[in-house]
Amino acid sequence: EIVLTQSPATLSLSPGERATLSCRASQSVGSYLAWYQQKPGQAPRLLIYDASNRATGIPARFSGSGSGTDFTLTISSLEPEDFAVYYCQQRSDWPLTFGQGTRLEIK
Amino acid sequence: EVQLLESGGGLVQPGGSLRLSCAASGFTFINYAMSWVRQAPGRGLEWVSGISGSGDRTYYADSVKGRFTMSRDNSKNTLYLQMNSLRAEDTAVYYCAKALELSSYWFDPWGQGTLVTVSS
Repeated sequence: EIVLTQSPATLSLSPGERATLSCRASQSVGSYLAWYQQKPGQAPRLLIYDASNRATGIPARFSGSGSGTDFTLTISSLEPEDFAVYYCQQRSDWPLTFGQGTRLEIK
Repeated sequence: EVQLLESGGGLVQPGGSLRLSCAASGFTFINYAMSWVRQAPGRGLEWVSGISGSGDRTYYADSVKGRFTMSRDNSKNTLYLQMNSLRAEDTAVYYCAKALELSSYWFDPWGQGTLVTVSS
């Protein structure tokens, strides 16, 4: 099973700041990595797929990069609605796996 | 608009069974793979199972293999998850999710979830 390790576990930032979230895979997943956002009481929402493609309706301040084992989700300038939990997910191999999540909180 | 509506959750005793359903609308159901993903209270996301558009291929997490069976009825645009031999650790909100593109297994969108509680 491919293990995805996200860091940091919690990130405390202020609106307007830049957020950088990391996801590391235990073995190469190529570009088969996605990012999701989840707010309290809501289902997750797809942000980025295939490492760097924004899903429909996702603002341009969200961007993804990386390949192989190291991936990054960047939010260029935080809006109040961006404070949430973020998960990465791989589909390179079965079983599909998620990272444990990064909580982005308001400083 | 794509809509996914899960149902069938509830309280069940350890060792019991439950069948979840996910009614889909707003897209050509047979063309898309689907998955179930769960989230235990206060925990992260765990992929549970996936099924191809035609239903001829299914995939499972090791934690549920042999106990859960995923299926679909393309004539009814409905997805199912039959859960047997339930354990306390199966307690979670269960989401159904549509593949972003045909069989890509990126999850978009998700249903609102249905809560399964396994407890005596």
